[in-house]
Amino acid sequence: QKEVEQNSGPLSVPEGAIASLNCTYSDRGSQSFFWYRQYSGKSPELIMSIYSNGDKEDGRFTAQLNKASQYVSLLIRDSQPSDSATYLCAVILNRDDKIIFGKGTRLHILP
Amino acid sequence: EPEVTQTPSHQVTQMGQEVILRCVPISNHLYFYWYRQILGQKVEFLVSFYNNEISEKSEIFDDQFSVERPDGSNFTLKIRSTKLEDSAMYFCASSEAIFRDRGLYEQYFGPGTRLTVT
Repeated sequence: QKEVEQNSGPLSVPEGAIASLNCTYSDRGSQSFFWYRQYSGKSPELIMSIYSNGDKEDGRFTAQLNKASQYVSLLIRDSQPSDSATYLCAVILNRDDKIIFGKGTRLHILP
Repeated sequence: EPEVTQTPSHQVTQMGQEVILRCVPISNHLYFYWYRQILGQKVEFLVSFYNNEISEKSEIFDDQFSVERPDGSNFTLKIRSTKLEDSAMYFCASSEAIFRDRGLYEQYFGPGTRLTVT
């Protein structure tokens, strides 16, 4: 069974601090990794994609991938109240079309 | 900025009725998808569609479901005889998928249709 695991939270982080979100996946064949943000009642919004081992930075967001450990993370620097949402880790297997989503981590930024 | 659109935003139907959910993918995208999310649960893949045919489908996507691209812009999901357990948010997504074999494609989601089956 191909799974994506995330801590459901809630993860509470003070405003201005770094939020660290983690995700593990079970299938070594996974090739593409994404972080989506989902506000309550809304659709998933793509915020980061990463395909190679290492770090990828985009503004306040940094995605980190370690394929050997089957681990992907998202760091949010200078957290803002508007970052409060559920963050979905998602993976795509090699030559697959479908995204396999984790259940998401609820992030709460404390003003 | 181009975006995926979906109609209606909310559909209420009686058990056993047929529903059609509509999507307009991003115009230069080649791959189209349907996902669903039951309240409080994770987003689940239903089907992917490319070159006017289904490329992959999940166990959820049984004979009750069908997809169609009736013209150059719309992508539809039909549920023939709805059941109570079909109540969920249904999301359409699309991707450009130029470098599919390298996995270099990103899926963009529409705002969703909330389906309520009574």
